[in-house]
Amino acid sequence: GQQLNQSPQSMFIQEGEDVSMNCTSSSIFNTWLWYKQDPGEGPVLLIALYKAGELTSNGRLTAQFGITRKDSFLNISASIPSDVGIYFCAGHARGSTLGRLYFGRGTQLTVWP
Amino acid sequence: SQTIHQWPATLVQPVGSPLSLECTVEGTSNPNLYWYRQAAGRGLQLLFYSVGIGQISSEVPQNLSASRPQDRQFILSSKKLLLSDSGFYLCAWSVLAGGETQYFGPGTRLLVL
Repeated sequence: GQQLNQSPQSMFIQEGEDVSMNCTSSSIFNTWLWYKQDPGEGPVLLIALYKAGELTSNGRLTAQFGITRKDSFLNISASIPSDVGIYFCAGHARGSTLGRLYFGRGTQLTVWP
Repeated sequence: SQTIHQWPATLVQPVGSPLSLECTVEGTSNPNLYWYRQAAGRGLQLLFYSVGIGQISSEVPQNLSASRPQDRQFILSSKKLLLSDSGFYLCAWSVLAGGETQYFGPGTRLLVL
């Protein structure tokens, strides 16, 4: 089945540093989504991307829909302690079932003060 | 604005007992609804999805079932819980015009003993 490769699996950074994580797929996607999950809570949508090449920002977060339609990245600038959590990429593959999203396995981010 | 509720937040049940988890969505009509399970290790597994009242599609054959008795209500059930049913259950909604973007509820933590 469809696989999303998300990397890195975990990151340990110091407050103020920038963060970059990415997701790649084996097939073409027409939607890329980035979520953040805090412990014991549901994932919260950070950024949604719908067009190849699209670059979207949400505060200190920036995400891009890759030109090949098979990848996406998320950048966090000037990290702060509340950025701690698990970040998931998700996407909808072209031709797949309506509403069917595929998820990466997440990037665990730890920010040291 | 739209909100999604899940009930209960936490549940401890003995093996062999029945299960009923409820998800309700407010502020939208005709949503697509989804049940996911998240085991330790972070992966999100799609269990069921529904595009309308009484319409349920199962992604993975297992000990669970789902029902949609009302437009904005989605229920996850089991007649007899197994130890392996323990996990974090997430409900999500989307609308067709939303480009496959899904929004998650707060989740239910289920522990089967």
